Formats: sequence, structure tokens, C-alpha cells
Amino acid sequence: NAGVMQNPRHLVRRRGQEARLRCSPMKGHSHVYWYRQLPEEGLKFMVYLQKENIIDESGMPKERFSAEFPKEGPSILRIQQVVRGDSAAYFCASSPDPRRGHNYEQYFGPGTRLTVT
Amino acid sequence: GIQVEQSPPDLILQEGANSTLRCNFSDSVNNLQWFHQNPWGQLINLFYIPSGTKQNGRLSATTVATERYSLLYISSSQTTDSGVYFCAIAYNTDKLIFGTGTRLQVFP
Repeated sequence: NAGVMQNPRHLVRRRGQEARLRCSPMKGHSHVYWYRQLPEEGLKFMVYLQKENIIDESGMPKERFSAEFPKEGPSILRIQQVVRGDSAAYFCASSPDPRRGHNYEQYFGPGTRLTVT
Repeated sequence: GIQVEQSPPDLILQEGANSTLRCNFSDSVNNLQWFHQNPWGQLINLFYIPSGTKQNGRLSATTVATERYSLLYISSSQTTDSGVYFCAIAYNTDKLIFGTGTRLQVFP
């Protein structure tokens, strides 16, 4: 059973370009979470999605950031017009529906390290 | 909002020593997880432990939910245990709130 997949693992963008980060959840998982880790800091929640539905985006910056989890294909975190402050590690996690079976465990992918030059 | 505190912030050990890491949280939780972030940045699930005790090899964890703390025990530490250990919790929502971590360095 493959784990959570993220790609690319490393991404370099110049200021003003767009960054697209992809996340494929574990098989059987219908819930996806995105977290950001700034250098030398802990992880901070950004957004929580189900298929075709954003459940909670309270941690997402209001501008330039968007996320989707379409019916088919991976979840995408999109950052438009990147700035140097966007340089961070972006982690994706997945879980089964937490409300079935009361298992709330989240499984994390290897992360995408974004560097903005 | 809910608070998560980890202690100690830094820990330096010699190989073979034992250690205890602590996580305090300010409210009841339905999810508590321990992670190890290795020096390459990879985040590894150690335990899903909203309550009770679990063991996995040299590692074990205990969460006392009524007293709002969790402990991670590392026995006979090895250099490969080096990295940052995070505690993360969720309370009536699904988003995890991470502590600031304990940075562990194990020397041969």
C-alpha cells in the first residue's frame, strides 16, 4: 500500500512565477490536508479538503494561494506570483473519513521543498 | 485557542542513554500524534495515541488525556534517533496543531 505521494520533491521558482504542488493520498483515503513548515519552525495547518470540497481553509493566506482536490487526480496546492517568503516545505497528509470509525490519524507525505529566488 | 507545549526544547545525549520528551496541551483532544523529523526533513509517524500507552521497539508513548499530557520515551538511543520530535493534536476539528518540537542530538 503506497504511502502519501507528493511531487515534485524540490521546486525552484523565480519571484512572480507560479508554483503547483501535487499530492496523491493513500489508497482508500478521502481527506487531504496541507501544512507549511517555514525554516526552523513547526508545521502550520493551511487547508483541509475532501473530494471536490474545501472543508476548512482557515490557515490559507487570503491572496495568491488556492487548493483543490478534484474528483479525479491529485490534490493541487497552487501559489501564484511567488515571493521569497513563500520558500518553505509544504507537506500533505491524508486520512480516511475521520467520522467513520473514529480514527483521526493523519499520514504525511515526504513534502515539497519550494525555493523562491 | 488550544495550546501545545513541548519540553525540553533541546536534548543532547550520548548513544545508549534513555530520554523522556513531554507534550502538554490545554484542552481535550481526539487526536494526538508523535512525529520524528529526520535531518533530511522527512516526517515520520511514530504514534497515534489520543489516550493510553503504545510501544514500538525502543520507543513507547503514553497519553493521559484527563491530565492533558503525553510522554514519548526513547530507550537505548542511537545516532539515527537524532532530529526533531513533534507532538501534534486535534481538538474537535481535523486540523493538527503542532508543538514547537524537541531537537534531539545523539552522539556516539
